[in-house]
This record gives sequence, structure tokens and C-alpha cells, in this order.
Amino acid sequence: EVQLQESGPGLVKPSQSLSLTCSVTGYSITSNYWGWIRKFPGNKMEWMGYISYSGSTSYNPSLKSRISITRDTSKNQFFLQLNSVTTEDTATYYCARYLGYFDFWGPGTMVTVSS
Amino acid sequence: EIVLTQSPTTMAASPGEKVTLTCLASSSVNYMYWYQQKSSASPKLLIYYTSILASGVPDRFSGSGSGTSYSLTISSMEAEDAAIYYCLQLTSTPYTFGAGTKLELK
Repeated sequence: EVQLQESGPGLVKPSQSLSLTCSVTGYSITSNYWGWIRKFPGNKMEWMGYISYSGSTSYNPSLKSRISITRDTSKNQFFLQLNSVTTEDTATYYCARYLGYFDFWGPGTMVTVSS
Repeated sequence: EIVLTQSPTTMAASPGEKVTLTCLASSSVNYMYWYQQKSSASPKLLIYYTSILASGVPDRFSGSGSGTSYSLTISSMEAEDAAIYYCLQLTSTPYTFGAGTKLELK
């Protein structure tokens, strides 16, 4: 079965970069698409972007200047980098497989932006 | 960007009660997707392509709609259905979620 697991720092200082890893088991990231979604305090959900089986990317325009999604196929991992974070980036971050819809999700990792 | 408006924002239902949640899109979408999220768990796919039940989802859940108006129905509320329900459109980027409906057990 496909399993995803997010990892990374739980606390990031304002103006710094947020870096998260999604480790995938049971399925190759060289197939299909792989995305990042976040949920803010108060329950709002936001699609951040995805990386395709070929390495191409698509990002939410609201984040386009700050976001980068990359991958390491040898480790079957993909990554999220969000630059110049503010307290408004405090959220639970999820990685998920995209098959035309998001079916398998990681458990999520909470990231707090605070000095 | 397509805005999804879910209603109601919050509701409570008694065991056995029929529940209908709605999702209105600001522009026409091809399909609607529904997710259930309980407390700190990750969202669980319930319905895809508007009306197809995801694997393992009880058949008391159903989805319908077209164009700009979609709904998720629970035919008979059970205690385990208490959760937040989100609709999601994947017709055009940026993909967008509704604000969610919080369903509580009465």
C-alpha cells in the first residue's frame, strides 16, 4: 500500500525558509503526481503545488515567488521549500499522491512560524 | 480562481437522520471531490468524480451535482460521521477547497 510521511522542523523563524520532506513507500514517485497541501488554524485548506512523474511542477500563484517543489527519485522522496515565511505560514502541511484526485495522504506535520 | 462555498458552516444531526451538505462553485467545474477529516487525522477521500465512492467508504455516503452545484449526502447519520467535510475542485489551477462543513452528532 502507498504510504507517505512528512518530516521537517516543527518551528521556523520568520523570514527563514521552511523545508519539508515527503517520503513515499509502496509506490514510485516517477509515476503520477505528488502534491503539497496545507491546513491553517481555523480549518482553511490550501493546495500549494505538485511535482509530476517527469519532474515538472505547478504552483499556486499565491505562493509562486516563494515555493519550490523538488524530488530525489533515488530516495523516492519529494520536497517542499517555502521561502521568506511569516506567521501566516503556520499550518499543518500534508503531502499527497495525485491521481487526478488526492487519494493517499501523509499524516501531516505541524509547522509553527515564530521567533 | 474558482471559489467554493460550502453550506451549512456547521450543523448537528441525530443518529439515523439524513444529512445533505452543499458546495457551490463560482464557475462551472467538471467534477467535485469530497473529503472527510476527523480531529488531527489527514483528510480522507470520500467521493471522486462527483459521485464515485472511494474504496472502503460506506454506501450511506453519496455525491451528486453538476456545473456549479454539488452535494454530499449521508443517508443515515452515524456517530462516526461527525467530522469536517471539504469539497475540492480540480478542474483548474489553483485547485481550491471549500471552507468546510463541521458536522456534529446531536
